[in-house]
Amino acid sequence: GAGVSQSPRYKVAKRGQDVALRCDPISGHVSLFWYQQALGQGPEFLTYFQNEAQLDKSGLPSDRFFAERPEGSVSTLKIQRTQKEDSAVYLCASSLRLAEYTDTQYFGPGTRLTVL
Amino acid sequence: DQQVKQNSPSLSVQEGRISILNCDYTNSMFDYFLWYKKYPAEGPTFLISISSIKDKNEDGRFTVFLNKSAKHLSLHIVPSQPGDSAVYFCAASRSGGSNYKLTFGKGTLLTVNP
Repeated sequence: GAGVSQSPRYKVAKRGQDVALRCDPISGHVSLFWYQQALGQGPEFLTYFQNEAQLDKSGLPSDRFFAERPEGSVSTLKIQRTQKEDSAVYLCASSLRLAEYTDTQYFGPGTRLTVL
Repeated sequence: DQQVKQNSPSLSVQEGRISILNCDYTNSMFDYFLWYKKYPAEGPTFLISISSIKDKNEDGRFTVFLNKSAKHLSLHIVPSQPGDSAVYFCAASRSGGSNYKLTFGKGTLLTVNP
């Protein structure tokens, strides 16, 4: 079946621009996660949704980052007034059940954001 | 403060030989460990996991070993194949609050030479 998809795959933004990154999780998956992967680093947790509820946003680096999942399926990560340090690959992952630590997270291909 | 460390950025192995990828962790609260594999321009793909109640888990050519006292785990691939060439990430999580959070290492680039 279809995996997690993300769009756009690549985004170039000028410093100060707003961007919106989209994630389509696997159909029926309850839990959705966003991670940020800087160059040469492993993915770092940003936020977690259980259906439409954002239960954890402790990893969002600043109040310029905002995520939503209004109908419990598609999610959007929005970054306002982008800065150079926001340049990274943004990964979305979903898992089938209410997040349990043994539940496999399935990752999308990521969106590579470059801020000039 | 890196809680999950993969100290070898890269590893090169001959086809047919064993690949051993290592991972160390500092947070003693971690009790579930995973390995993900990542090809260029793709997202990480789950490979194998191990709970802290075990010291070994095997799946085909892949075996993960956990040494809790040393806070160390390793992934063995036997025999290695050229298609195994990828970046391998070690990740950890914990039961209890925020149990869904995966903490990743920086990854090890494995190259399997034909």
